[in-house]
Amino acid sequence: QVQLVESGGGVVQPGTSLRLSCAASGLSFYSFDIHWVRQAPGKGLEWLATISYVGNNQHIADSVKGRFTMSRDNSKNMLYLQMNTLRAEDTAVYYCAKDFPRAGGYNFDYWGQGTLVTVSS
Amino acid sequence: QSALTQPPSASGSPGQSVTISCTGTSSDVGNYNYVSWYQQHPGKAPKLIIYEVDKRPSGVPDRFSGSKSGNTASLTVTGLQAGDEADYHCSSYAGDKEVFGGGTKLTVL
Repeated sequence: QVQLVESGGGVVQPGTSLRLSCAASGLSFYSFDIHWVRQAPGKGLEWLATISYVGNNQHIADSVKGRFTMSRDNSKNMLYLQMNTLRAEDTAVYYCAKDFPRAGGYNFDYWGQGTLVTVSS
Repeated sequence: QSALTQPPSASGSPGQSVTISCTGTSSDVGNYNYVSWYQQHPGKAPKLIIYEVDKRPSGVPDRFSGSKSGNTASLTVTGLQAGDEADYHCSSYAGDKEVFGGGTKLTVL
């Protein structure tokens, strides 16, 4: 079955960098766009970024543009989120999510369990 | 401040129906028939229950239905069950980005 497993979260200081990883299994990873979505404690969901199945096209939310970049390695079934110049407001659970195929727009049909990033001094 | 507006809470008794609204703008909900709804139980990842306004992924009961009028989308849950108690999040495509609502906590009384 499809499984997405995030890793790399932790407690970091403001201004530092962190790279999250998402390991995928049980799917033809190279066939699907993948997304990052985050959820601040007690808050709603926030879409962050989408990368095309080939990895040559990505869209980044304005709220993190210029600080966050997304990449993927289809040979390893891995997805990455590079987060730079972290701020307290980046504190959240970060999810990777697979795109639901054959549907318009962005739809997230499989999610990882999430990894918590806490930005605090 | 979320891009889409949802009521923070909703409730209903077992067997009853409840409708949750999701209001956006002409740049998102009003411009695309790409509204999705997600159910999220405490401590769990969200689950896709509605896509493209009113379509259900395989395995989602037909007690869940979606609709849209203008800039407002709605999720209706009929025949409420205890397991429906969860947070519900709406989202809409907005042109190379996705916007979410703040989420609605559904309580089954």
